[in-house]
Amino acid sequence: GIQVEQSPPDLILQEGANSTLRCNFSDSVNNLQWFHQNPWGQLINLFYIPSGTKQNGRLSATTVATERYSLLYISSSQTTDSGVYFCAVEWDDYKLSFGAGTTVTVRA
Amino acid sequence: GAGVSQSPSNKVTEKGKDVELRCDPISGHTALYWYRQSLGQGLEFLIYFQGNSAPDKSGLPSDRFSAERTGGSVSTLTIQRTQQEDSAVYLCASSFEVVEDSNTEAFFGQGTRLTVV
Repeated sequence: GIQVEQSPPDLILQEGANSTLRCNFSDSVNNLQWFHQNPWGQLINLFYIPSGTKQNGRLSATTVATERYSLLYISSSQTTDSGVYFCAVEWDDYKLSFGAGTTVTVRA
Repeated sequence: GAGVSQSPSNKVTEKGKDVELRCDPISGHTALYWYRQSLGQGLEFLIYFQGNSAPDKSGLPSDRFSAERTGGSVSTLTIQRTQQEDSAVYLCASSFEVVEDSNTEAFFGQGTRLTVV
């Protein structure tokens, strides 16, 4: 099956800092999503981004499908940004394969 | 409904008992997925339903696990003779029909936290 690797595994930020999370995948994919899992376990949709660049407030994402990676940018981080960020790719027509996640801790 | 709804939110069961987990997808979504997230782990695919097609059960970890989807809407995941290793968060997701070039963004419910004691 497809391999999805996220880096870094853990990230500690001071409030107000910027950061970049990376997702590499081993094969062509149909689609890619970024999720934020909050402390209550809820997976929140951030981006549906099979290619190109999208922005939503302080977050933005870029997927370069031909080079098999995606980046999630967090700017001016806030404590509410803490949690686990997952990258998930759709392959085999419909299955979402998840990376292991990046655990982000934002300190006040 | 407005979002994917799962029940119960939490379930504690004794080893050996059967449990049923319920998922109510977003209205109009024909694709439904079950995933499992064990403590500190990523998400593991379990099963996929798409309309009236035969479900993809390739991710079910053992024959103690089964799932059904009635009327193309609500789905039930059943675990028989639960074991301690079944303890995890079970997440359900739904999306529009998966066809070429379609928007297949998946939306997840809040999950059912299952604890087998």
